[in-house]
Amino acid sequence: RKEVEQDPGPFNVPEGATVAFNCTYSNSASQSFFWYRQDCRKEPKLLMSVYSSGNEDGRFTAQLNRASQYISLLIRDSKLSDSATYLCVEKGGYALNFGKGTSLLVTP
Amino acid sequence: DADVTQTPRNRITKTGKRIMLECSQTKGHDRMYWYRQDPGLGLRLIYYSFDVKDINKGEISDGYSVSRQAQAKFSLSLESAIPNQTALYFCATSAPGQGTYGYTFGSGTRLTVV
Repeated sequence: RKEVEQDPGPFNVPEGATVAFNCTYSNSASQSFFWYRQDCRKEPKLLMSVYSSGNEDGRFTAQLNRASQYISLLIRDSKLSDSATYLCVEKGGYALNFGKGTSLLVTP
Repeated sequence: DADVTQTPRNRITKTGKRIMLECSQTKGHDRMYWYRQDPGLGLRLIYYSFDVKDINKGEISDGYSVSRQAQAKFSLSLESAIPNQTALYFCATSAPGQGTYGYTFGSGTRLTVV
């Protein structure tokens, strides 16, 4: 199985902090990359796609390094509502392949 | 109404029973998927279908079967449920050529086999 590896955490950070998640993938043929957010016992929801040029959506920045097969997600000015599990995802063939997720807890 | 609807939301069943999990979608997507999620193991693909006549096994298809009754409906069956099939099951849909948009997931079915 093509692997997607993430640090499971948990990451405990205070409100306002900057936190970074990293992910590596083994499938060099992967075509698309995503970060999904999953709240406890809920369905995963697309947070953002990840591009080689890097992309930003408000407080969230995603980066892809194809040479190193490495993906990152940076969250600035963390909010309590950012507490969730963040799933690194790659698509190299017929379906999405999910990492096991990184747990984030933002505390007051 | 949700774009992807799964029924039931929760189910407790006994070992050896046959059970069907249903998924329907209103997004008009051709592609549908079944995943299961276990603590510490992430989401794993069970089956996927790219259209009504196309059914494919995923990573962990043993003990499961599927039926694509229509473009909008994709059912997952456990022919003889066993306790290690206790998990959270998700149905998802996608459209071809929308690689940058990811998948749309249903709310999940929490299945417990006792």
